[in-house]
Amino acid sequence: GENVEQHPSTLSVQEGDSAVIKCTYSDSASNYFPWYKQELGKGPQLIIDIRSNVGEKKDQRIAVTLNKTAKHFSLHITETQPEDSAVYFCAASKNYKLSFGAGTTVTVRA
Amino acid sequence: GAVVSQHPSRVICKSGTSVKIECRSLDFQATTMFWYRQFPKQSLMLMATSNEGSKATYEQGVEKDKFLINHASLTLSTLTVTSAHPEDSSFYICSTHWGPEAFFGQGTRLTVV
Repeated sequence: GENVEQHPSTLSVQEGDSAVIKCTYSDSASNYFPWYKQELGKGPQLIIDIRSNVGEKKDQRIAVTLNKTAKHFSLHITETQPEDSAVYFCAASKNYKLSFGAGTTVTVRA
Repeated sequence: GAVVSQHPSRVICKSGTSVKIECRSLDFQATTMFWYRQFPKQSLMLMATSNEGSKATYEQGVEKDKFLINHASLTLSTLTVTSAHPEDSSFYICSTHWGPEAFFGQGTRLTVV
């Protein structure tokens, strides 16, 4: 099955700095790569996604890049704010079935 | 607004009892519902996939007789944790999809005492 690895497990950044989270996947048939933000006690919230036919996508302060050849994708958050503090999960999807990374706890220091 | 409504959000039950969790698709007919379990500070692990009108497909290591899934209609899927034990305490989350995009329920925090 699909194996998604995510790094780092924790990330502390100063407010205003950038945060980068990286993921790799194993199944070349995966074709959809969403990123989720999860706050304590709540379900995951989609923040950005990218499909396998696109290399990069940006939405305001958030961007995602995908390298299909290397089977890795990354999340970039610029100008971080305290409300960006949360757990972030990457995922890879094949036939609508999601495999999640282990998660990254992001802390933005004021 | 919510696309998937999951209830209850929290439940505490005694060891040996059963608990039912419901997920309703509000905006569209969900032929498939995914059920995940998440232990504290861990990732979401897929437990099973329910398909309307047919038997659920369980992931390796998940006991189908313990985690009963019913998907009797296109808008409702249920997960029943039978004979619950403290080790079943976890956060259970359902999701369905529209195209490739997944929509998650709010999650159910189950505590077995």
